[in-house]
Amino acid sequence: GENVEQHPSTLSVQEGDSAVIKCTYSDSASNYFPWYKQELGKRPQLIIDIRSNVGEKKDQRIAVTLNKTAKHFSLHITETQPEDSAVYFCAASQGGTSYGKLTFGQGTILTVHP
Amino acid sequence: NAGVTQTPKFQVLKTGQSMTLQCAQDMNHNSMYWYRQDPGMGLRLIYYSASEGTTDKGEVPNGYNVSRLNKREFSLRLESAAPSQTSVYFCASSPTEGREQYFGPGTRLTVT
Repeated sequence: GENVEQHPSTLSVQEGDSAVIKCTYSDSASNYFPWYKQELGKRPQLIIDIRSNVGEKKDQRIAVTLNKTAKHFSLHITETQPEDSAVYFCAASQGGTSYGKLTFGQGTILTVHP
Repeated sequence: NAGVTQTPKFQVLKTGQSMTLQCAQDMNHNSMYWYRQDPGMGLRLIYYSASEGTTDKGEVPNGYNVSRLNKREFSLRLESAAPSQTSVYFCASSPTEGREQYFGPGTRLTVT
């Protein structure tokens, strides 16, 4: 099955800096890669996603890049703010007959210091 | 729209007891999912239902059963709870397979 590795497990930045979180996946048939943000005690919420026919996608301060050849994708947050502090999860949708199942990375705890 | 709702919010069980976690969505989504979240492990898929009338095992199905009661509701049953099932359980739904998933608020389950 699919395996998703996420790094780093913790990330601490100063307000205004950029933050980058990286994920690798194992199943070359995976074709959908969402990123979720989870605040303490809350549900995961989708912040951005990308499909395998696109190399990069941006939404204001957030961007995701995908390298299908290397099987890795990254989340970029620019001009970080304290309210960006949360746990971020990447995921990959397994392809083939398992289409639709998401395999999640282990999560990155992002702390933005004012 | 309430989105995805789950009941109960909290539950404490003794080893060997059974219970059913309820999930409902009002977004007319076809696919529904059950995950468990443990510290340092991310979210792991227990079972999913691609559409009404179908269910399939995920990564960690042992000790659980599911029922897709209708398009709106997808329940998760623990027949004989074990301490290893102490976790936070999230239900999610999506318009169809391979689309964005929307999560419920979660159920925090403790098995003693």
